[in-house]
Amino acid sequence: SQTIHQWPVTLVQPVGSPLSLECTVEGTSNPNLYWYRQAAGRGLQLLFYSVGIGQISSEVPQNLSASRPQDRQFILSSKKLLLSDSGFYLCAWNVRTLDTEAFFGQGTRLTVV
Amino acid sequence: SQKIEQNSEALNIQEGKTATLTCNYTNYSPAYLQWYRQDPGRGPVFLLLIRENEKEKRKERLKVTFDTTLKQSLFHITASQPADSATYLCALRAYNFNKFYFGSGTKLNVKP
Repeated sequence: SQTIHQWPVTLVQPVGSPLSLECTVEGTSNPNLYWYRQAAGRGLQLLFYSVGIGQISSEVPQNLSASRPQDRQFILSSKKLLLSDSGFYLCAWNVRTLDTEAFFGQGTRLTVV
Repeated sequence: SQKIEQNSEALNIQEGKTATLTCNYTNYSPAYLQWYRQDPGRGPVFLLLIRENEKEKRKERLKVTFDTTLKQSLFHITASQPADSATYLCALRAYNFNKFYFGSGTKLNVKP
């Protein structure tokens, strides 16, 4: 069966420090991969999505970047965190057909102090 | 600009009643509309998918309707239970995009 792993679960980082969040998917090949951010009490904002290795599309200009070095690995990074980067980050994947749902990881609660 | 709107106010209902949640969208031509459940501190979990050529979909106590003329989907939970308390999100996916766009969600509180 397919599973998605996302870590760490919680993270407290100082302003200006770097960030690396990792997500891996097991049990499937060639998935679409997504990074979402959710502010407290808000909906999910799509940050990045990827349809293949090295193929990254950014939805909103921001202080973050994403990479997909392997088929089932998706990394969210920042060189220097801002206070506004705080939030709940979610990785998701789905099969590359239209009528399929997204499967989400457990999320990372990031607090920038 | 594109918008997906869900009622930001929490919906409070009594156990056993039917909960109805609304998702309205503008400037989209979605191929599919999905509903997810999210519990506090967790990632969303898929519940139901409805295609643009479908009017209604059911799964156990859940029912989704999709009106592309009104640009609206309704999500119903019949015989609601306290365990149904959660935030419910709708998501749209267009034909030519590999992306899901989510609404802000509606929090449902089912009281015993």
